[in-house]
Amino acid sequence: AQSVSQHNHHVILSEAASLELGCNYSYGGTVNLFWYVQYPGQHLQLLLKYFSGDPLVKGIKGFEAEFIKSKFSFNLRKPSVQWSDTAEYFCAVRGVNQGGKLIFGQGTELSVKP
Amino acid sequence: GAVVSQHPSRVICKSGTSVKIECRSLDFQATTMFWYRQFPKQSLMLMATSNEGSKATYEQGVEKDKFLINHASLTLSTLTVTSAHPEDSSFYICSARDRTGVYFGPGTRLTVT
Repeated sequence: AQSVSQHNHHVILSEAASLELGCNYSYGGTVNLFWYVQYPGQHLQLLLKYFSGDPLVKGIKGFEAEFIKSKFSFNLRKPSVQWSDTAEYFCAVRGVNQGGKLIFGQGTELSVKP
Repeated sequence: GAVVSQHPSRVICKSGTSVKIECRSLDFQATTMFWYRQFPKQSLMLMATSNEGSKATYEQGVEKDKFLINHASLTLSTLTVTSAHPEDSSFYICSARDRTGVYFGPGTRLTVT
């Protein structure tokens, strides 16, 4: 069965600090990988996604993620966070033949102190 | 970009009553819609997958007779929580898929008193 694990439940950073959120998945086939962000009181928004090709993908708002197949990981990074990045971040996995069904990780709450 | 709406955004109902939540794709036709449930401080748990014109596929542990899903058209899916109980209080989120991707609705906060 597919599963997604996010290592950090709550991360607290100061502005301008670098961010890395861990995500590992378990699935026996080819996957598509996603990071979503949920700002307070808002709906989920897609940050970035990986389908194939260059394992380093760049998303919106300066975020990037690297797919390391051998480690079953898809960590999210940002070199310098801003207060406005305070939100909940979800990693999600979709098996290529799963008809669009996304399996989400537990989420990581990011708090950025001004 | 593609927009998905949900109605209502918030609903409070009494225990034992039924509540219907609508999910609409506003500017695209959704081949598939998904219903998720999110508990506070927890992840989204997939409840069911619905395809237009066919029966929904429920995830293990989700009661299909309690959470009725109807996908009447390519732009509308409904989730009805029947005989709601306080433990059904949660945030229900739908997503809709077309060829370009999967798009999420803003969610519906259900509180059962």
